[in-house]
Amino acid sequence: EAGVAQSPRYKIIEKRQSVAFWCNPISGHATLYWYQQILGQGPKLLIQFQNNGVVDDSQLPKDRFSAERLKGVDSTLKIQPAKLEDSAVYLCASSLQRWEKLFFGSGTQLSVL
Amino acid sequence: GEDVEQSLFLSVREGDSSVINCTYTDSSSTYLYWYKQEPGAGLQLLTYIFSNMDMKQDQRLTVLLNKKDKHLSLRIADTQTGDSAIYFCAESITHTDKLIFGTGTRLQVFP
Repeated sequence: EAGVAQSPRYKIIEKRQSVAFWCNPISGHATLYWYQQILGQGPKLLIQFQNNGVVDDSQLPKDRFSAERLKGVDSTLKIQPAKLEDSAVYLCASSLQRWEKLFFGSGTQLSVL
Repeated sequence: GEDVEQSLFLSVREGDSSVINCTYTDSSSTYLYWYKQEPGAGLQLLTYIFSNMDMKQDQRLTVLLNKKDKHLSLRIADTQTGDSAIYFCAESITHTDKLIFGTGTRLQVFP
């Protein structure tokens, strides 16, 4: 079974630039999550989708972060403009349904200079 | 409130047992999880326990849950160098989809 796919693997940008991350969840998984993991910390939920609808985006900095999940499958997370404090690993996860076990991708490591 | 705490670092000799501890504050958690993260990789689900259980064993892994003290532990028997990684505990909050992660414990196994 293919896992959660994410790209790119690494990204380096300058502050105030824009960046986008892509995630393809495990086939058939209805729930998709984006987490932010700052170095030395545990992952923090940014946004959760159930199919193509948003379930929870309470911790998403909406002035600069946006996310969408077209057709309830792939998802993109965008940051515009980026700040230094956005440097982190962005993890995508999916689960079969809500309250089911999460499976994580390898993440995108973002460095903002 | 929701808060999950772990000690930052644990060092053990190969072949010994490792015990990684976690405390949480939300008494309404449904499931508690242990995830493993190797360098440059995502989180891998190791095991989980339902909140009405006290113990769960899965091969070399034993999870103990003390719900009264809100304490969770992961015991790894016969620890190997391949077990070196960061271990995160996480709790799921009842009737929400929130999964709250701890800060992670870095396990280092030396020969």
